[in-house]
Amino acid sequence: AQRVTQPEKLLSVFKGAPVELKCNYSYSGSPELFWYVQYSRQRLQLLLRHISRESIKGFTADLNKGETSFHLKKPFAQEEDSAMYYCALSDDSNYQLIWGAGTKLIIKP
Amino acid sequence: NAGVTQTPKFQVLKTGQSMTLQCAQDMNHNSMYWYRQDPGMGLRLIYYSASEGTTDKGEVPNGYNVSRLNKREFSLRLESAAPSQTSVYFCASSHENKGTQYFGPGTRLLVL
Repeated sequence: AQRVTQPEKLLSVFKGAPVELKCNYSYSGSPELFWYVQYSRQRLQLLLRHISRESIKGFTADLNKGETSFHLKKPFAQEEDSAMYYCALSDDSNYQLIWGAGTKLIIKP
Repeated sequence: NAGVTQTPKFQVLKTGQSMTLQCAQDMNHNSMYWYRQDPGMGLRLIYYSASEGTTDKGEVPNGYNVSRLNKREFSLRLESAAPSQTSVYFCASSHENKGTQYFGPGTRLLVL
């Protein structure tokens, strides 16, 4: 069955430290993966999608089909990165996104 | 260009009451979605509409109905609210079925 797993509910790192938010997926087709972010009191918004291969706000994510992972990384965390992060997978068979449970990232000063 | 708008922002209901959550988008998107967000469970799809005139059940449709009134508007109705429906509800839209989804600001619903 299609599934997206974010193993960490909460991740706390110090400002300036590297950040890695983990995302693993289970999908039989060719996956299209996304990272969405929700800052405090704001709406969910797209951070990046793997097909665009962009770096947004210093974040990057590489699709590793062998490990079925799409981890989100940033070399130097900033306080404004504190937010809820969701990994999502686009299901080819319908119009749905399959969502992970989310990881709350806290950047300590 | 307001994007995706939702009303109301916050609502308190008593068990058994009904209400409709409104959603509208001005981006000429074909697909629209209703999610609920609960702590530790991420987003769960309630219903979606791939295009005007069509609606389909998502992961958690029980207790809800939807109407795709036109291309812009997609409403979610709770006919008889239950405490288990206390949640934050998000509407989203996308141009194509695999495209980026754009979210509204959410509606916080408390059912007593």
